[in-house]
Amino acid sequence: KAGVTQTPRYLIKTRGQQVTLSCSPISGHRSVSWYQQTPGQGLQFLFEYFSETQRNKGNFPGRFSGRQFSNSRSEMNVSTLELGDSALYLCASTYMDGETQYFGPGTRLLVL
Amino acid sequence: GDSVTQMEGPVTLSEEAFLTINCTYTATGYPSLFWYVQYPGEGLQLLLKATKADDKGSNKGFEATYRKETTSFHLEKGSVQVSDSAVYFCALSDQGYSTLTFGKGTMLLVSP
Repeated sequence: KAGVTQTPRYLIKTRGQQVTLSCSPISGHRSVSWYQQTPGQGLQFLFEYFSETQRNKGNFPGRFSGRQFSNSRSEMNVSTLELGDSALYLCASTYMDGETQYFGPGTRLLVL
Repeated sequence: GDSVTQMEGPVTLSEEAFLTINCTYTATGYPSLFWYVQYPGEGLQLLLKATKADDKGSNKGFEATYRKETTSFHLEKGSVQVSDSAVYFCALSDQGYSTLTFGKGTMLLVSP
């Protein structure tokens, strides 16, 4: 069974630009969560989508948004990029037990 | 709110040494507990989990026991290998929600 896939793996953007990251969950998993990983703040929860609806949201500004499609694939968007948005963005899909999460390899975003 | 505290690293060991990485948690409900491992340049891999008090999770020689009385979930391995060198994250999921709260991670370095 294929794992969680994320594209692209690496991105370089400049301040003020926007970026869209994509995540395809494990087949059959309907919930997708996004996390930001930085050396200073560690792993922080961004949001979770289930059946195309945002079910939970972390403490991030409105510049961070996401959506989920009918095939459970998810995208997250960051607008008006800031230097502090440089991070590894991890996507996870949730098993049928509703809590065990399997992570993708991440997208490493560098904002210059 | 929920929180997870891990021992600071790096933990430096020689091959075949015994490993313990401490993890304690604070949660309002009855969380499920997880250990994830991250190798350089990769996403998180689920190592093991436990869903209720006194449960023992185990995988690839690693073990952790859910101790409700001490709110702990310490990771142990009897004999580490160089290939175990990675960052280990303790995490909790509270009351069935698919949102993980992570500790800051503990780097393990194993030398031959």
